[in-house]
Amino acid sequence: GQQLNQSPQSMFIQEGEDVSMNCTSSSIFNTWLWYKQDPGEGPVLLIALYKAGELTSNGRLTAQFGITRKDSFLNISASIPSDVGIYFCAGLVTGANSKLTFGKGITLSVRP
Amino acid sequence: DVKVTQSSRYLVKRTGEKVFLECVQDMDHENMFWYRQDPGLGLRLIYFSYDVKMKEKGDIPEGYSVSREKKERFSLILESASTNQTSMYLCASSINYGYTFGSGTRLTVV
Repeated sequence: GQQLNQSPQSMFIQEGEDVSMNCTSSSIFNTWLWYKQDPGEGPVLLIALYKAGELTSNGRLTAQFGITRKDSFLNISASIPSDVGIYFCAGLVTGANSKLTFGKGITLSVRP
Repeated sequence: DVKVTQSSRYLVKRTGEKVFLECVQDMDHENMFWYRQDPGLGLRLIYFSYDVKMKEKGDIPEGYSVSREKKERFSLILESASTNQTSMYLCASSINYGYTFGSGTRLTVV
């Protein structure tokens, strides 16, 4: 089946640093999504990307949909302690009754 | 604000018990999903439903069943709970691409 690869499993950064995460696949997706899960909560949608090459920002977050449609990255600039959590990428091949494929997530820790 | 509500945040059940996890959404979404989340394994799809009374198996349906008698409610059933079903269970609903998740139920089977 389709798989999305996120690595490493954990990242540790200093407050104020920028961090970049990427997500790759051997399959083409035509929608990419990034979710964040705070400790003890369900994942929340951060950014959705619908077009190859699209670059979208949401505050300190920037995400891009790769030209090949097989990858995406998420950048967080000037990290703060509340950026701690698990970041999931998800891909979708649109069509009737399509469903998301999730990566395994990256756990981000921010040292004050 | 749209909501997906899972009935319990924490549950402790005994091995062999029948367990019901309830999920209700107030967004009139057609699609509903049950995932389990385990460290290092990410989100794994157990079952999903695209309409009332309709269900489809996900990637790991063994040991689980589901019920969707009303559009807003999707129940996950563990027929005979086992210790390897100790996990975080997440319900989600969607109408198109963006899934809305509940806060999760952390189930411990002892």
